[in-house]
Amino acid sequence: DGGITQSPKYLFRKEGQNVTLSCEQNLNHDAMYWYRQDPGQGLRLIYYSQIVNDFQKGDIAEGYSVSREKKESFPLTVTSAQKNPTAFYLCASTTSGDSGTQYFGPGTRLTVL
Amino acid sequence: AQKVTQAQTEISVVEKEDVTLDCVYETRDTTYYLFWYKQPPSGELVFLIRRNSFDEQNEISGRYSWNFQKSTSSFNFTITASQVVDSAVYFCALRRINYGQNFVFGPGTRLSVLP
Repeated sequence: DGGITQSPKYLFRKEGQNVTLSCEQNLNHDAMYWYRQDPGQGLRLIYYSQIVNDFQKGDIAEGYSVSREKKESFPLTVTSAQKNPTAFYLCASTTSGDSGTQYFGPGTRLTVL
Repeated sequence: AQKVTQAQTEISVVEKEDVTLDCVYETRDTTYYLFWYKQPPSGELVFLIRRNSFDEQNEISGRYSWNFQKSTSSFNFTITASQVVDSAVYFCALRRINYGQNFVFGPGTRLSVLP
């Protein structure tokens, strides 16, 4: 089945540790995104990538890093520089063209202990 | 600036009631797309509908209907005969054309349908 997968579903991290969240899609979408969602809040854009080997910062990129070495994969690293990383992280990808629709993965819930 | 407003933070209805979720957007673009997404308790956002700025025809899909009024910059979503399974957070979103691939999401409306 085509779709977007994120792993793990739940992730626990100790303060000071870096952690990488996985996002894979087999929809052949060019563009991929990472959002952060805090409890009771909307979505905030962290990073996005329109093509392989290229990505742009979103509204809250500080303390995060990404790579886009393959079209199917867009991993997000939450670094120790991110002061409040506990949140729900959503990965998305977009169909091609101006009318592209954004589709989402199931999300990863990160908790810093 | 692009902005999406969903003034209703939370709505509670009793099953079988009709409910309308409001969405008001701001953009200076003449061409854009509007979307509605549903986020059930599981967390994943589910795409419901896309509408382009040149198509003001209302749309109905089962118990769901959407009313797009460009004159008031609104794209409202109505659920008829609501069911408990409709309980979720609903997001309205705006996408610009020829401006990268960024979407602007509203803050969401939490709908609780009580049995």
